Amino acid sequence: EPEVTQTPSHQVTQMGQEVILRCVPISNHLYFYWYRQILGQKVEFLVSFYNNEISEKSEIFDDQFSVERPDGSNFTLKIRSTKLEDSAMYFCASTLSGSPYNEQFFGPGTRLTVL
Amino acid sequence: AQSVSQHNHHVILSEAASLELGCNYSYGGTVNLFWYVQYPGQHLQLLLKYFSGDPLVKGIKGFEAEFIKSKFSFNLRKPSVQWSDTAEYFCAVNTQAAGNKLTFGGGTRVLVKP
Repeated sequence: EPEVTQTPSHQVTQMGQEVILRCVPISNHLYFYWYRQILGQKVEFLVSFYNNEISEKSEIFDDQFSVERPDGSNFTLKIRSTKLEDSAMYFCASTLSGSPYNEQFFGPGTRLTVL
Repeated sequence: AQSVSQHNHHVILSEAASLELGCNYSYGGTVNLFWYVQYPGQHLQLLLKYFSGDPLVKGIKGFEAEFIKSKFSFNLRKPSVQWSDTAEYFCAVNTQAAGNKLTFGGGTRVLVKP
């Protein structure tokens, strides 16, 4: 069964450093998402991406964040200058289409720890 | 904007007991409702979903959920749990107006004792 994969599973970084979280969505899916879950808090939507453009982004997704699909398979989330409060589990998801009726398939997550 | 509440943060029960997890949402319009499960060390996976029609929805692994529009609720149930149901359960919604992004509840950790 096709799966969304994410690398690395755990990333530790120093405050102010740049990190890139990688995701490989399911191959025929067209819509991609990043969510995050700070420890003890809800899973929160960050951004959705379609046709090489951001479709929607939340208030959390400020100028420190960026997404791209550099090579037709990977979908990346970059945080330019990490802050302590960026420590969270980051989930990638993908769907076949942009319909709200479609199931979103999630990856296993990357745990980001900012020291 | 929509929001989702799950009132039980932790539930502990024994095998064969019945499970009911509460989920309430706030939104004035039409919503689509989902329950996701995350088993230890695994990714979020869909248990069941409701868009329209019969408000009693059956999902995988013997789970079901009932949409009660008047109560803005979508509670998850399983008549007899197994140790393998130990997991975290998340209720989520999206709306036609807000596109396909999911808004999640806080999750409920369920521990089933053998």
